[in-house]
Amino acid sequence: DAGVIQSPRHEVTEMGQEVTLRCKPISGHDYLFWYRQTMMRGLELLIYFNNNVPIDDSGMPEDRFSAKMPNASFSTLKIQPSEPRDSAVYFCASRIAGPGHEQFFGPGTRLTVL
Amino acid sequence: KQEVTQIPAALSVPEGENLVLNCSFTDSAIYNLQWFRQDPGKGLTSLLLIQSSQREQTSGRLNASLDKSSGRSTLYIAASQPGDSATYLCAAGEYNFNKFYFGSGTKLNVKP
Repeated sequence: DAGVIQSPRHEVTEMGQEVTLRCKPISGHDYLFWYRQTMMRGLELLIYFNNNVPIDDSGMPEDRFSAKMPNASFSTLKIQPSEPRDSAVYFCASRIAGPGHEQFFGPGTRLTVL
Repeated sequence: KQEVTQIPAALSVPEGENLVLNCSFTDSAIYNLQWFRQDPGKGLTSLLLIQSSQREQTSGRLNASLDKSSGRSTLYIAASQPGDSATYLCAAGEYNFNKFYFGSGTKLNVKP
């Protein structure tokens, strides 16, 4: 398996623009997680899905953030409009249900909002 | 909400030394605990996962232990090498909710 795939790897945009980050989880994984990592706040869980259904979005910072998972092999995280404070590395991760299964991370998308 | 702490934030050791990284969590009712490695500018690589019913897991030179009663996990690295230099993060899984709380990491530097 190719692991968790994220695109783009780097994104530079201007304040006010819409940004869409994409993730393809590992085939067969039930759970998908979106995280954000910054120097100041470390790694924060934004939202997670179980079988394509959003379970907990309490970590989504504002209404400007939205996430979807239309099928088991694809998820998007959208920021509209983007702001400079959204600059961070965004990670997608997936895992199989059960306490004995590890969480696997994608390579991340480094977002810079000017 | 689970609070996860990793101390120290940074550690520098000479090559060949055995070392222990610490991870503390506030809620003993954890689902599992996972250790990761993160190289600069890269994603997180899973090292070891310990289920709540287990006490330790081993992989090569790495050994992770879990003590739920004291709210602690340790990652033991034997015979450290410069290639072990990275940031090590632990994540505590929350029971019934599948949420994972991360510590801020320990940045390890192994000097040749």
